[in-house]
Amino acid sequence: DTGVSQDPRHKITKRGQNVTFRCDPISEHNRLYWYRQTLGQGPEFLTYFQNEAQLEKSRLLSDRFSAERPKGSFSTLEIQRTEQGDSAMYLCASSLGVNSGNTIYFGEGSWLTVV
Amino acid sequence: DQQVKQNSPSLSVQEGRISILNCDYTNSMFDYFLWYKKYPAEGPTFLISISSIKDKNEDGRFTVFLNKSAKHLSLHIVPSQPGDSAVYFCAASHTNAGKSTFGDGTTLTVKP
Repeated sequence: DTGVSQDPRHKITKRGQNVTFRCDPISEHNRLYWYRQTLGQGPEFLTYFQNEAQLEKSRLLSDRFSAERPKGSFSTLEIQRTEQGDSAMYLCASSLGVNSGNTIYFGEGSWLTVV
Repeated sequence: DQQVKQNSPSLSVQEGRISILNCDYTNSMFDYFLWYKKYPAEGPTFLISISSIKDKNEDGRFTVFLNKSAKHLSLHIVPSQPGDSAVYFCAASHTNAGKSTFGDGTTLTVKP
């Protein structure tokens, strides 16, 4: 299966610790997205990359959050000094990045629980 | 300001009947619309999409209708099956933006 892959699937961390999530997109996709989802809400956009360039960041992405896609392939999302409000599912998605009809495909998500 | 709204948090239908899920949007720049299905503890799965140049797109049991003047789209599932029970998200994007904006979802329950 060559879908979007995320690791780890679940992470429990103590408040104040740093966590990092990894995403491997569908191989031919040049766009990669990070979203966050909490219970009862739809996915909220965090940031996206076109190849290795980070093209947009949401205001939701505080300075404790950083995302990278160093070689235009996999991406990492790091959260520093985690807070209980960071508890959520972090979703990675990828797309071909065509200008129209841009369908994004999600991974299984990474659950973060901050205790 | 929520640009994509799904006003019905839940919907319950009988197996074999039609399910109709609705979505409204406010941004007239949106030109591409998608529906996703999500099971608990999994990522959303793409179902069907429609471009603003069309008013209907069909894929098997799933049909999406777009009414641009009303800024409204709907997903019809016929016939509904118990396996369709999930949360359905509507999403919208426009050509010059990379991201898609999602609604908060409608939980569909199909009763046997």
